[in-house]
Amino acid sequence: NAGVTQTPKFQVLKTGQSMTLQCAQDMNHEYMSWYRQDPGMGLRLIHYSVGAGITDQGEVPNGYNVSRSTTEDFPLRLLSAAPSQTSVYFCASSYSPPGVTEAFFGQGTRLTVV
Amino acid sequence: EDQVTQSPEALRLQEGESSSLNCSYTVSGLRGLFWYRQDPGKGPEFLFTLYSAGEEKEKERLKATLTKKESFLHITAPKPEDSATYLCALCAGGSEKLVFGKGTKLTVNP
Repeated sequence: NAGVTQTPKFQVLKTGQSMTLQCAQDMNHEYMSWYRQDPGMGLRLIHYSVGAGITDQGEVPNGYNVSRSTTEDFPLRLLSAAPSQTSVYFCASSYSPPGVTEAFFGQGTRLTVV
Repeated sequence: EDQVTQSPEALRLQEGESSSLNCSYTVSGLRGLFWYRQDPGKGPEFLFTLYSAGEEKEKERLKATLTKKESFLHITAPKPEDSATYLCALCAGGSEKLVFGKGTKLTVNP
């Protein structure tokens, strides 16, 4: 099992550009989430999904879009990148709701918006 | 509002010097409290889950405990490879969202 795979690992964008952060898991987990991690702050939930076709907003959803067409994939789209979106992004998956069982995290995508 | 506060922000220990990390929380009904370890440039790695006050779990040099207001991560005779940032997270009853603390950065010097 590869676990949770995120691509790319690093990305530099210009303000206003769009891009998609990819996340794939091979554990057949129903629950998937996207977090951002900024210096001096805890991980903050952006969007999450409880199964294919079902997504919901987390704590900081503005400027991001998600969809879940398959169990395995949960891409995060930045529609028009802003410097405030410079951060490290983590995707996570879990078998049960995150508060019930442990979440497995990817290695992260470090995004810089200039 | 559910809150998680970790202390200290950073901790330096000598190899073999035992200590504890604190995670204080406020929540309207705890569903689960989690400890994760995060190495630089990596994603968080699961350590423990605690569900109710009085529960304890151990793994090698680490022991996690839980009361109604806080959780402790005790590190016994730490080694340099225990150096990492330790994250505490909780999920409130009826929620499907994890709330993370800011973490404690632990450095163990040889």
